[in-house]
Amino acid sequence: SQELEQSPQSLIVQEGKNLTINCTSSKTLYGLYWYKQKYGEGLIFLMMLQKGGEEKSHEKITAKLDEKKQQSSLHITASQPSHAGIYLCGADGGDSSYKLIFGSGTRLLVRP
Amino acid sequence: DVKVTQSSRYLVKRTGEKVFLECVQDMDHENMFWYRQDPGLGLRLIYFSYDVKMKEKGDIPEGYSVSREKKERFSLILESASTNQTSMYLCASSPYGPRGGSNQPQHFGDGTRLSIL
Repeated sequence: SQELEQSPQSLIVQEGKNLTINCTSSKTLYGLYWYKQKYGEGLIFLMMLQKGGEEKSHEKITAKLDEKKQQSSLHITASQPSHAGIYLCGADGGDSSYKLIFGSGTRLLVRP
Repeated sequence: DVKVTQSSRYLVKRTGEKVFLECVQDMDHENMFWYRQDPGLGLRLIYFSYDVKMKEKGDIPEGYSVSREKKERFSLILESASTNQTSMYLCASSPYGPRGGSNQPQHFGDGTRLSIL
């Protein structure tokens, strides 16, 4: 079965610094989804990537899917305290169902 | 914007009670999902439904059942609540994806933090 590994597990950065979170799959990714979760709340959909080499941006967050479609990265430029939370990657289960599998998440803290 | 509404943010119940968690979505999505989220274990799928009255077991269905009588509503039922069901419960919905293509993003509610005493 497919597994998603996220790194790092947690990250503390100073406000204004850039950072990168990685999501690596054990199998080829056919759909990769990035979510953000504020502590104790639901998941907020950020971006979806499908094609090898695809890159999408929203405000200061950029997500990329590598050419081989087995790794995705999420990059935050000039981080702010509002970026704090848990970032999760999700992927199609690969079994022709509507299920997603999720990574274990990266906990981000941004110090003002 | 998609709106997925869970009936309660916090809920406290007693062992042995029958517990109902309700979820409503307003975007006419075909698929609906129930997850639980626990520290160190991540998100785990309990049940999902791809159509009215249709349901499929996820990874951890034991101790739970679901009901989908209307397209917009998906209920999770704890038949006899136990302390190991204390958790954060998250509901999500998504539309069908294109045939042969990837799934569509799931949209989540705010979650219900359930405590079983």
